[in-house]
Amino acid sequence: ETGVTQTPRHLVMGMTNKKSLKCEQHLGHNAMYWYKQSAKKPLELMFVYNFKEQTENNSVPSRFSPECPNSSHLFLHLHTLQPEDSALYLCASSQVGGYYEQYFGPGTRLTVT
Amino acid sequence: EDKVVQSPLSLVVHEGDTVTLNCSYEVTNFRSLLWYKQEKKAPTFLFMLTSSGIEKKSGRLSSILDKKELFSILNITATQTGDSAVYLCAVEAREGQGGSEKLVFGKGTKLTVNP
Repeated sequence: ETGVTQTPRHLVMGMTNKKSLKCEQHLGHNAMYWYKQSAKKPLELMFVYNFKEQTENNSVPSRFSPECPNSSHLFLHLHTLQPEDSALYLCASSQVGGYYEQYFGPGTRLTVT
Repeated sequence: EDKVVQSPLSLVVHEGDTVTLNCSYEVTNFRSLLWYKQEKKAPTFLFMLTSSGIEKKSGRLSSILDKKELFSILNITATQTGDSAVYLCAVEAREGQGGSEKLVFGKGTKLTVNP
């Protein structure tokens, strides 16, 4: 088990539901990331938080809403998703200053029906 | 548009073989190139390369970067079944002068090592 945990590990939701993914890191890092990995595309960086401040939003649709209340916790709030949003959502953390040596969580497998 | 291309997309070898995985890239304001190994779900970090011609080694794995030709290779010698995984290449770049950093991933190379 890594120092980055994600819950839930699996999630099935309808297109009208609202759900949240949670990520917690126990490594004393101050940067956290959300990634999306779908079968048809390379791993995509979605959001970056440095010291709780969002520094990147890589053209992610507004139906994905991140929240970082502190350096150890990161949420991804989901609402009115589409079936093409079904994917593995990975959280990662590192020290601020680059993407060097990110530690990844196990991921949440999301299925949108 | 920034892109990272890995080849081959998949590779099947026997234990003991040596493999070379390729990663080529086209990005603006290159900063570094990273290699990850992904088994099951979470990628694990292998190497970060910033300078041309300097080989990084970790056990049976090694990697080198060519910033002139814009590519990197990852070598695995004496492969073992535990090396079976998807190997991801990612390039860290900066968007313009003073722009934000971004990370662009390739699609990965799926390596299968048979006993």
